[in-house]
Amino acid sequence: AQSVTQLDSHVSVSEGTPVLLRCNYSSSYSPSLFWYVQHPNKGLQLLLKYTSAATLVKGINGFEAEFKKSETSFHLTKPSAHMSDAAEYFCVVTPRSGGFKTIFGAGTRLFVKA
Amino acid sequence: SAVISQKPSRDICQRGTSLTIQCQVDSQVTMMFWYRQQPGQSLTLIATANQGSEATYESGFVIDKFPISRPNLTFSTLTVSNMSPEDSSIYLCSVEDRLASYNEQFFGPGTRLTVL
Repeated sequence: AQSVTQLDSHVSVSEGTPVLLRCNYSSSYSPSLFWYVQHPNKGLQLLLKYTSAATLVKGINGFEAEFKKSETSFHLTKPSAHMSDAAEYFCVVTPRSGGFKTIFGAGTRLFVKA
Repeated sequence: SAVISQKPSRDICQRGTSLTIQCQVDSQVTMMFWYRQQPGQSLTLIATANQGSEATYESGFVIDKFPISRPNLTFSTLTVSNMSPEDSSIYLCSVEDRLASYNEQFFGPGTRLTVL
């Protein structure tokens, strides 16, 4: 079985301050992990992915995430928020064996204040 | 990577009618997926569509309500039948990248459906 939990439904930060969006997962198989972003009335865009190579993954737009197996976490961070980062973020887990089923987290809405 | 297009991009429909959503991919893919995103919610997998076989539906979704066709390796349709306002959602198709080891999915832009 597998699941993904995004610990915050909403996060609000000021422009220029760090961003932390938290994600914990559970998987019976070695997972691939992804973060997607969805801007209002836009499609899903892949931010970054963990594929069992480096545990610290760098993505687009200055985002990065660290895979911590001991904590079953894959938190998304960015050193300095920009107004354009305001969007919905989804943490996604996919097993790399044992059958294919992708699970989406409930999403975290990021608000960025000027 | 794969480029996915969907038609229509949005529609407003009357209760009791049906709408067919088309998904076109720019390359041949084995597996295609259909998701629903209800207002303010995350994505929920409706079904997996393999070419040449019946679609596999997730719990809570049935073929009579969401019939799927997969006539070839680049195209699929999802029909939302006998619609009610509860079917108002964004419907997305996606494909997987099995050439890579990590099963990345690529998503279409979605079809925004409003049922009155």
